Amino acid sequence: GAGVSQSPSNKVTEKGKDVELRCDPISGHTALYWYRQSLGQGLEFLIYFQGNSAPDKSGLPSDRFSAERTGGSVSTLTIQRTQQEDSAVYLCASSSRQGSNQPQHFGDGTRLSIL
Amino acid sequence: AQSVSQHNHHVILSEAASLELGCNYSYGGTVNLFWYVQYPGQHLQLLLKYFSGDPLVKGIKGFEAEFIKSKFSFNLRKPSVQWSDTAEYFCAVNDDRNTGKLIFGQGTTLQVKP
Repeated sequence: GAGVSQSPSNKVTEKGKDVELRCDPISGHTALYWYRQSLGQGLEFLIYFQGNSAPDKSGLPSDRFSAERTGGSVSTLTIQRTQQEDSAVYLCASSSRQGSNQPQHFGDGTRLSIL
Repeated sequence: AQSVSQHNHHVILSEAASLELGCNYSYGGTVNLFWYVQYPGQHLQLLLKYFSGDPLVKGIKGFEAEFIKSKFSFNLRKPSVQWSDTAEYFCAVNDDRNTGKLIFGQGTTLQVKP
């Protein structure tokens, strides 16, 4: 398909484990965003990539969270030493270029559950 | 920091009723405004957006929104809802044109009874 693809769709893991979440944006989209949707918190911005660089990481909640993007395409969000409060749906979005006048296209998300 | 408030968390309507969902943002500078919709089991989709010009914006499926700068508001409206409009609706604001990052409201769950 031509949409934003995220994997896995669901992830259940034990507290303290590391997890990696993957996002494959729409081909040719240079801007990529990660958001988190959790109960009581709504949708929160995490990080923004333009190409391979991340000029805005202001939403990452702690140093346990990191993200990278290689080849200007696939992005990986890594959470180290997971905690129960990390349980949420992690959403990825991409747009054709940077700037607020470009609509963001969202993936289906990864539902992360920390036991 | 910018914040977005959606006043209605859960709305229940009968088919053919009129809909208005409130959205207010906090920062009064230049903003771009969006409404996204998430139908059950689907991903977030753009419903409509405002960048500049006519403050009354028309979107897909008969939805419209009005930007009132003096009230920092961007309320979503539909004259006659259908059962298929049952979904969660999110208002979002961007005030950083360099990044395009979105600040979302908490969302409003709309349930339309047939």
